[in-house]
Amino acid sequence: ETGVTQSPTHLIKTRGQQVTLRCSSQSGHNTVSWYQQALGQGPQFIFQYYREEENGRGNFPPRFSGLQFPNYSSELNVNALELDDSALYLCASSPRQGARETQYFGPGTRLLVL
Amino acid sequence: GDSVTQMEGPVTLSEEAFLTINCTYTATGYPSLFWYVQYPGEGLQLLLKATKADDKGSNKGFEATYRKETTSFHLEKGSVQVSDSAVYFCALPIQAGGTSYGKLTFGQGTILTVHP
Repeated sequence: ETGVTQSPTHLIKTRGQQVTLRCSSQSGHNTVSWYQQALGQGPQFIFQYYREEENGRGNFPPRFSGLQFPNYSSELNVNALELDDSALYLCASSPRQGARETQYFGPGTRLLVL
Repeated sequence: GDSVTQMEGPVTLSEEAFLTINCTYTATGYPSLFWYVQYPGEGLQLLLKATKADDKGSNKGFEATYRKETTSFHLEKGSVQVSDSAVYFCALPIQAGGTSYGKLTFGQGTILTVHP
């Protein structure tokens, strides 16, 4: 069974640019969540996708957007990058939507904004 | 709102010492509770979970008991190893507006370093 994978592993961008991060969910999982983890902090929830629809969003501005595809893979897009967007971006998938479901995390994409 | 508070860190122990990392929570109802571990340079891995009050989650020698009376989910291990050095996060899912979104809110993390 293949786990959650993310690409790229590392990325360097400059302020004002746009970035797209990708996530392939674990086989059989239909729910994908994205988190931002700043250095030395716990992950912060960005949003969740269930059956290609956004289903819950944390306290992040609209320049953070996403997609989920029919195969349940997902993208996170960030426009107009700011220095504070530098972080580890984690994708997590779960078998179903719900508060009791375990989320399985990918290795993350480390983004550096200069 | 729902939240998780972890003990201040970091924690430094010698091999074979006893470990406790405190976690308390504030939540509506009785959510599932989780401990995740993050090894250097990696993403998060589920360590253990408990889905209802008085449940004990366990894995790899780690244990945590869901105690609703004290709203706590403390992580314990009787004898730590150097390989346990990592960051440990307590987490719970948030329910908002009557809908179970399944998003997680995390504590700030506790850095554990185990010396030989």
